[in-house]
Amino acid sequence: DVKVTQSSRYLVKRTGEKVFLECVQDMDHENMFWYRQDPGLGLRLIYFSYDVKMKEKGDIPEGYSVSREKKERFSLILESASTNQTSMYLCASSSWPENYGYTFGSGTRLTVV
Amino acid sequence: AQKVTQAQTEISVVEKEDVTLDCVYETRDTTYYLFWYKQPPSGELVFLIRRNSFDEQNEISGRYSWNFQKSTSSFNFTITASQVVDSAVYFCALSEGGNYGGSQGNLIFGKGTKLSVKP
Repeated sequence: DVKVTQSSRYLVKRTGEKVFLECVQDMDHENMFWYRQDPGLGLRLIYFSYDVKMKEKGDIPEGYSVSREKKERFSLILESASTNQTSMYLCASSSWPENYGYTFGSGTRLTVV
Repeated sequence: AQKVTQAQTEISVVEKEDVTLDCVYETRDTTYYLFWYKQPPSGELVFLIRRNSFDEQNEISGRYSWNFQKSTSSFNFTITASQVVDSAVYFCALSEGGNYGGSQGNLIFGKGTKLSVKP
């Protein structure tokens, strides 16, 4: 079964810490995405990548960066975590041009205290 | 610009009732794709259906059916004889087709409809 795996299900970090959220997919997909999900706001795109070492800003990139050194791995980095980054983070991957939609990971619920 | 609107924030029904979740989209493209995802309380988003803009046939899968109408830019989702296990947040999403460099297949999500099915 195809999979997108996020390394942590729950994470608690302190304000100011550097936080790494890892995502790995085994489907050889070109595209990978990071979203955050907040009540009443739905899913908002943070960053995406359509190839190794390529990255594009989404709708809310401020306070985040990403890294894609290998095709199967896409990391989201919070350079200095803040309480307003407490959220559910969802990773997804997709292929193009088949565009069968995204396959999502199970999410990481991050709490910044 | 692309946009997906799910006007119903929350819906509550009693088991065995039929329920329709509305989705209205905006796009300037003639080639696009529409999706529905389900997010149960466990949190993972589960793919339900994909539709391309050239295929307006309605689809039925068990108790689920989808009504795609380009004339009204709608892609509504109906659950027949709802069950408690259908309780979840449901998202409608849109991606545009074409050969964009670097933005292939980006999904724009609606804000979701929370469905509660009570026994």
